[in-house]
Amino acid sequence: ILNVEQSPQSLHVQEGDSTNFTCSFPSSNFYALHWYRWETAKSPEALFVMTLNGDEKKKGRISATLNTKEGYSYLYIKGSQPEDSATYLCALRSYQLTFGKGTKLSVIP
Amino acid sequence: NAGVTQTPKFRVLKTGQSMTLLCAQDMNHEYMYWYRQDPGMGLRLIHYSVGEGTTAKGEVPDGYNVSRLKKQNFLLGLESAAPSQTSVYFCASTRPPQSLSYEQYFGPGTRLTVT
Repeated sequence: ILNVEQSPQSLHVQEGDSTNFTCSFPSSNFYALHWYRWETAKSPEALFVMTLNGDEKKKGRISATLNTKEGYSYLYIKGSQPEDSATYLCALRSYQLTFGKGTKLSVIP
Repeated sequence: NAGVTQTPKFRVLKTGQSMTLLCAQDMNHEYMYWYRQDPGMGLRLIHYSVGEGTTAKGEVPDGYNVSRLKKQNFLLGLESAAPSQTSVYFCASTRPPQSLSYEQYFGPGTRLTVT
């Protein structure tokens, strides 16, 4: 079982602040790194899939980068809004998806 | 095209009772998964299946059994429920991990409480 770690575990930011969090994983062979947005009582929503070292993806105010050589991925949120409040999960895809425990983001109006 | 569906959506069991959760997908996916979600623990894999008739253990398989008799269905069974199995259970399906168009499709979840 691969060890996928996310930090911080939780985060409180003011509306308008930008923020970022980290996903760390073993720098071994894998197919892809996934990011999901997960609201309470809902299914996880896919945000990004990245496969190559140096990949960068962007969707609106949210972006992500991947460094496969050092084994980490960053998720950035620019100008956080209350609707960004959710748990953000990263997952490493090898023969299955291994999820981190998530970073719970709370954006305070 | 319903995607991934789960039944039931909610259930309350007494300790020692048994039940089966049903997951169904209509996307012809080979792989199916059962996860449990607990506060602060993210998603933990219980069992998974790489095809009809095959199952494999995940990270937290104890206390659960699964069956994949048909490609579109993946059943999760609790033979003797325990309070520690109170959780939200998510089913998911995918193409094989090496697929270029890989994406994990989740069901809406089943909230199970064991008293």
